[in-house]
Amino acid sequence: GDSVTQMEGPVTLSEEAFLTINCTYTATGYPSLFWYVQYPGEGLQLLLKATKADDKGSNKGFEATYRKETTSFHLEKGSVQVSDSAVYFCALSKTQGGSEKLVFGKGTKLTVNP
Amino acid sequence: GAVVSQHPSRVICKSGTSVKIECRSLDFQATTMFWYRQFPKQSLMLMATSNEGSKATYEQGVEKDKFLINHASLTLSTLTVTSAHPEDSSFYICSAMGSPYEQYFGPGTRLTVT
Repeated sequence: GDSVTQMEGPVTLSEEAFLTINCTYTATGYPSLFWYVQYPGEGLQLLLKATKADDKGSNKGFEATYRKETTSFHLEKGSVQVSDSAVYFCALSKTQGGSEKLVFGKGTKLTVNP
Repeated sequence: GAVVSQHPSRVICKSGTSVKIECRSLDFQATTMFWYRQFPKQSLMLMATSNEGSKATYEQGVEKDKFLINHASLTLSTLTVTSAHPEDSSFYICSAMGSPYEQYFGPGTRLTVT
């Protein structure tokens, strides 16, 4: 079945460091791909998404490109801030039974130190 | 906008009792809500899709008689864990489908069964 694999954490970086969180997927068809972020004590929030191959999603300095040939959707940010500390989830969506369903990776906890 | 709340945020109950978790969309109407379960260091696993005014659709392996879902209005869905056992202890997260077809997540409910 469809699945998402993302790099295990936790990831600890210093402020202004470069961030990459790897995400690969297995799916039939052409899913949409997402990155969600969960700040401490809050619900998941959509960070960015891409709906077709070669699309680049971007938001708040984060970017990810839908790579069909490598079935990947790696999350990157050039300079992280302390406020980026959170858990990041990669996900794909598929339409099943008339509704859109999300399949999540396990999440990667990021800690950014000042 | 697009805020989803869950109540309670934490609950402890004794084995054999039932517990109800509420999920509310505060500023939008949601015909579709989803219930997820998250184990430590694991991804979110979809349990069921809840549609207002109709029976919920459960994922394979989820016991519908144990996890009762009621979507009584366009802003409220409830999950009742019946005859709870320690293995039901988990983090339960709901989401509500807004427009355009984006899921908005609640902050989650931590259930501990003693």
